[in-house]
Amino acid sequence: QVQLQESGPGLVKPSETLSLTCTVSGDSISSSYWSWIRQPPGKGLEWIGYIYYSGITNYNPSLKSRVTISVDTSKSQFSLKLSSVTAADTAVYYCARKPIGKPFDYWGQGTLVTVSS
Amino acid sequence: QSALTQPASVSGSPGQSITISCTGTSSDVGGYNYVSWYQQHPGKAPKLMIYDVSNRPSGVSNRFSGSKSGNTASLTISGLQAEDEADYYCTSYTSSSTYVFGTGTKVTVL
Repeated sequence: QVQLQESGPGLVKPSETLSLTCTVSGDSISSSYWSWIRQPPGKGLEWIGYIYYSGITNYNPSLKSRVTISVDTSKSQFSLKLSSVTAADTAVYYCARKPIGKPFDYWGQGTLVTVSS
Repeated sequence: QSALTQPASVSGSPGQSITISCTGTSSDVGGYNYVSWYQQHPGKAPKLMIYDVSNRPSGVSNRFSGSKSGNTASLTISGLQAEDEADYYCTSYTSSSTYVFGTGTKVTVL
């Protein structure tokens, strides 16, 4: 069974860089695209970006200047870095699998990241 | 890219049918048959209910159906049940090879 698990600090200071990792089990990380999606408290979902195992990436234009997604195939992990964070970046961050030609089908449980001094 | 437009809330009585709309542009919903719908209960991760406009994943009740006309996609829930009370989000592939979510709809079972 495919499982995704987010990990990383739950509290980040304003202007610093948010860093999260998603560990994939039950599937080869070389088989799909892998995405980050976030949800501010009480608000809707926002797609952040995706990466393919080869390193191909694409990002939400509104976040592109601050986002980097990378992959470590040897550890079956992919990571998110979001720089220069503000309180507006406070959200539950989800990682998700997107097989080629298919929708986001498996999601992690989500991790709340709060931006506060 | 702008979020797809959904009604903030839709309600219905048990057994009734409701429809949630998702309006985008020719660069997303209208341009591709890659519209998906997700159900989200409080504190839970979203669950895939419909993909490629009208396809149901294995295990999803046939009370859920999807369709599209022009730049607007729709999710219909027939035979509404208490367990259907949740937030629903549409999402679409875009001409920039990105993805955009809808604003979300809260479904209330009266």
